[in-house]
Amino acid sequence: AQSVTQPDIHITVSEGASLELRCNYSYGATPYLFWYVQSPGQGLQLLLKYFSGDTLVQGIKGFEAEFKRSQSSFNLRKPSVHWSDAAEYFCAVAPNFGNEKLTFGTGTRLTIIP
Amino acid sequence: DTGVSQDPRHKITKRGQNVTFRCDPISEHNRLYWYRQTLGQGPEFLTYFQNEAQLEKSRLLSDRFSAERPKGSFSTLEIQRTEQGDSAMYLCASSSVAGVVDTQYFGPGTRLTVL
Repeated sequence: AQSVTQPDIHITVSEGASLELRCNYSYGATPYLFWYVQSPGQGLQLLLKYFSGDTLVQGIKGFEAEFKRSQSSFNLRKPSVHWSDAAEYFCAVAPNFGNEKLTFGTGTRLTIIP
Repeated sequence: DTGVSQDPRHKITKRGQNVTFRCDPISEHNRLYWYRQTLGQGPEFLTYFQNEAQLEKSRLLSDRFSAERPKGSFSTLEIQRTEQGDSAMYLCASSSVAGVVDTQYFGPGTRLTVL
């Protein structure tokens, strides 16, 4: 069965600093990979996704993620965070066949300090 | 494209009562998913539909849970004889199938509190 690990439960970053959120997955083949963001009391918004091709994926709000097959990782990065980036971030995987049932990690809560 | 909508946004009920939630997907999307999210956790898959057919149900979906999508458009999720452990955010998502895997778009969720 596929699984997702987000090792960092909570990260605090100063505004303007760079950010990297870690995601590791376990799956027999290359899955489809996603990063979603959830603001308090809100649903999930897709930041970016990887299906195939270029392993560096650009998303919305200045985020990018890099797929590394050798490390089974799909880390999310942003060069300079803004206070509005404070939220919960979820990495998710879906099998590369059939339905798109998502398996989510437990999330990383991002706090931004001035 | 008005996005996925869910109703109600919040529901407080007493243990043992039945509750029903509604999800309206993006109009051209033929796949609809239900997830449950408890505090401090990521969403967990419950069930999904392609058009009106319910194609998969998680083991999380006990006999007290039932989901329908009668005309392949909106969907309802009913929980019978609610328990305190059912307190969670219930998320709906939709996607389109066009020969390749597509992205799921999520609604704002229904937060259920069982007293």
